[in-house]
Parts: sequence; C-alpha cells; structure tokens
Amino acid sequence: EVQLLESGGGLVQPGGSLRLSCAASGFTFSIYDMSWVRQAPGKGLEWVSAISGSHGYYADSMKGRFTISRDNSKNTLYLQMNSLRADDTAVYYCALHYGSGSYDYWGQGTLVTVSS
Amino acid sequence: DIVMTQTPLSSPVTLGQPASISCRSTQSLVHSDGNTYLSWLQQRPGQPPRLLIYKISNRFSGVPDRFSGSGAGTDFTLKISRVEAEDVGVYYCMQATQLPYTFGQGTKLEIK
Repeated sequence: EVQLLESGGGLVQPGGSLRLSCAASGFTFSIYDMSWVRQAPGKGLEWVSAISGSHGYYADSMKGRFTISRDNSKNTLYLQMNSLRADDTAVYYCALHYGSGSYDYWGQGTLVTVSS
Repeated sequence: DIVMTQTPLSSPVTLGQPASISCRSTQSLVHSDGNTYLSWLQQRPGQPPRLLIYKISNRFSGVPDRFSGSGAGTDFTLKISRVEAEDVGVYYCMQATQLPYTFGQGTKLEIK
C-alpha cells in the first residue's frame, strides 16, 4: 500500500525557514517523480515544485526561495523553504506520479503558518 | 502558464440526480507524446485530494463507475451519473501536460 506522510510544518516568522519532509512507503521511491502541492486556508490547489531524478522544477513565486530534494536511501522527499512570507501559509501536500500522468497518491498534508 | 477555468463554481444537486462540471484550458492539453494529461481530483471536507479520472477519461483504481470524464483539446467534462451523499466535496481539474502544472478553481458539489 502506497503511503505518503508529511511532517515538518509549524509556525514560523516572516523571513524564516522550514524544512518539510515526506516519508514514502509501499513503492520503489527512487524511480518515481514526486511533487509538492499547497493549499492556502479555504483556497484551491497550487503546484509548488516537482523533482524528476535529481532535477527540481518550481513555480515562479517559489524560485530562489524553495528547494526540493530527495534521499532515496531514506525514501524521503524534502522541501526546504526559506524567506517565508505570510502568503506561503498553507497545507503542503506531497504527491506521487505513479504512472497515470497525474498525481495518483497524496499525503495527508502538513500545515505551515507564517506569522509574527 | 496554462489557465484552467471550471464552471460552475458551485453545484447544488439532488441525491440520485446527475451532475456535470466543465473545465476549459487556455491552450491545448495534447502533449507531444500524444497523451492529454487532464485529470479530475475530488477533495472531501477535511481530506487531501484524491485522483478520480486521469488522461481525460480513465477512472483511477477504486473509483465508482458513476464518475466519467470526456473531452478533448481544451474542453473537458466530469459527469456523475447519480450523485450520492459521499460525493460532497470540491472537484478540481488539473493539467499535467506542461509545467507549471495548474488546477482549476474548484467546483463545490453540495446536496440540495
């Protein structure tokens, strides 16, 4: 059974940093592309970043501030978030491309709140 | 970026009746590999999104056959043949043809 479990969210001050993790199980983690998608409170879904192999892709508003990475030995996906702003407040989901051409599986999400 | 526009944004439906949601993209979603990476996601209250339909019309594993997808190019539709109480939630179309992947605004399905 595919499982994705995010962690690392919390309250951080504007300008601060946070690293999110997504622990994966139930599939061969190293061979699949992974992504982060976020959802601000009461809002829709917004694509954040994706990683294919070791190459990361980013939404324009995250470029230079966020870094996606993975540790295949730990079956874990990461999102390093720097220079956080109030509008980065959201639930962050990790999502798996498992062959459908879409996001076959999603984690439960981790809430990031940027506030002073 | 490809903009995805859904209509309606809210859909009150009577139990057992059909429902339909439209999604339009600002450019063709046909990928150079010949596939069209248009999918539909369901988000029940308090839950993460869940994949319903991928590549326009393919039901994901475990999705009831009352859900169907259709369309081509820039115009797509999700249909629910007979709405059940468990279908309440927000439905999103999503394109994964071109980065950045983009989502529709969401359509809230509620029971009358």
